[in-house]
Amino acid sequence: AQTVTQSQPEMSVQEAETVTLSCTYDTSESDYYLFWYKQPPSRQMILVIRQEAYKQQNATENRFSVNFQKAAKSFSLKISDSQLGDAAMYFCAYRNISQRIFYGGSQGNLIFGKGTKLSVKP
Amino acid sequence: DARVTQTPRHKVTEMGQEVTMRCQPILGHNTVFWYRQTMMQGLELLAYFRNRAPLDDSGMPKDRFSAEMPDATLATLKIQPSEPRDSAVYFCASGPSPIGTRLEDTEAFFGQGTRLTVV
Repeated sequence: AQTVTQSQPEMSVQEAETVTLSCTYDTSESDYYLFWYKQPPSRQMILVIRQEAYKQQNATENRFSVNFQKAAKSFSLKISDSQLGDAAMYFCAYRNISQRIFYGGSQGNLIFGKGTKLSVKP
Repeated sequence: DARVTQTPRHKVTEMGQEVTMRCQPILGHNTVFWYRQTMMQGLELLAYFRNRAPLDDSGMPKDRFSAEMPDATLATLKIQPSEPRDSAVYFCASGPSPIGTRLEDTEAFFGQGTRLTVV
């Protein structure tokens, strides 16, 4: 079974500085996707960024970027120029996607880490 | 503005009572997830449906929990009887089919959750 581990329960960053959140995962699959979701106090889960496992190039979305190390099964999130609105819980997630047509099994399941609470200091 | 709708947003109930949580997935999405979020365990997958068929409910306590999709527009999660340890936020999420190569088909869209308190 796939697992996702976030080893930092809490992190803190000064406004305008850069912070990196860690995530490791375990899988025997070769095709999969990785995600970072943000959950502000409103409880709404918001997709921040996603990475396809077969792409070596790291995904980037504005101030958010990832460092994807497939061999090490590591998927960290870097937030540059941190803003007060970035304060939230951040969840790393894994989803295995099969390119084959299938009619059973748990392919496509979405597994989350336990989250990292990010605080941003003014 | 397509969104996943969950009802109720909040529920307080007494131990032993039946609780039913409802989810309306985004029209056209054929995968539905139920998650439970607690401080201790984080986001736990309870059930995963594709085309209304349950594919993975290994995370769900079978003795008291049940999840169904009576039709493509409604997913339900029931707890009977409820216990104080069931107090949590329950999220429903939906997404397109995970088969294929379209990156936009990989995203799961979340509802705002049902906060359940069992006293």
